[in-house]
Amino acid sequence: DTGVSQDPRHKITKRGQNVTFRCDPISEHNRLYWYRQTLGQGPEFLTYFQNEAQLEKSRLLSDRFSAERPKGSFSTLEIQRTEQGDSAMYLCASSLGGVGAREQYFGPGTRLTVT
Amino acid sequence: DAKTTQPTSMDCAEGRAANLPCNHSTISGNEYVYWYRQIHSQGPQYIIHGLKNNETNEMASLIITEDRKSSTLILPHATLRDTAVYYCIVRVGGTGFQKLVFGTGTRLLVSP
Repeated sequence: DTGVSQDPRHKITKRGQNVTFRCDPISEHNRLYWYRQTLGQGPEFLTYFQNEAQLEKSRLLSDRFSAERPKGSFSTLEIQRTEQGDSAMYLCASSLGGVGAREQYFGPGTRLTVT
Repeated sequence: DAKTTQPTSMDCAEGRAANLPCNHSTISGNEYVYWYRQIHSQGPQYIIHGLKNNETNEMASLIITEDRKSSTLILPHATLRDTAVYYCIVRVGGTGFQKLVFGTGTRLLVSP
């Protein structure tokens, strides 16, 4: 257990529905990342928060995806009008800020299946 | 961030040392070498990182060549629970945005 939690762990939804995932980072970590992982591939970066500010978004993050981190604590990732191609593991990670190399600690992930 | 090259898979006998290589020939002077692993259906787990010097912690040792173009992760006494995909990643340190760029990693199978 890294101290990063994600909810739910599994989500099955029908195509066209909206889904929302939650990530609770390690409390003193001001940096939060979302990644997506499809079968057989390594995780791919989606978006990054420093405190409450969303500072980076990958081009993988289409208009149907939105992420928030109100008050710089937990974060949510919402997918609207889900498509079968959205089926993947969604991973959250957090790290300290500051100078130098900072390791990221990952949560267990939310596995999304779109039917 | 520099690109890394790792073997697709490796085998190791339980109790023996597992030596996982990584090539990063285009690494820049301010880029760190990180290792993560991912056990089936879990999130990636941080193992170790280094810049120039060799590093050791309770999980593993990291040996970086003098020219920094390659490195080796050493698990000194592999157990069955070390079976996982191991990712070697290089990225810049500093104060800014630090995403991880994962490749496909090395699938390590530890057998009895």
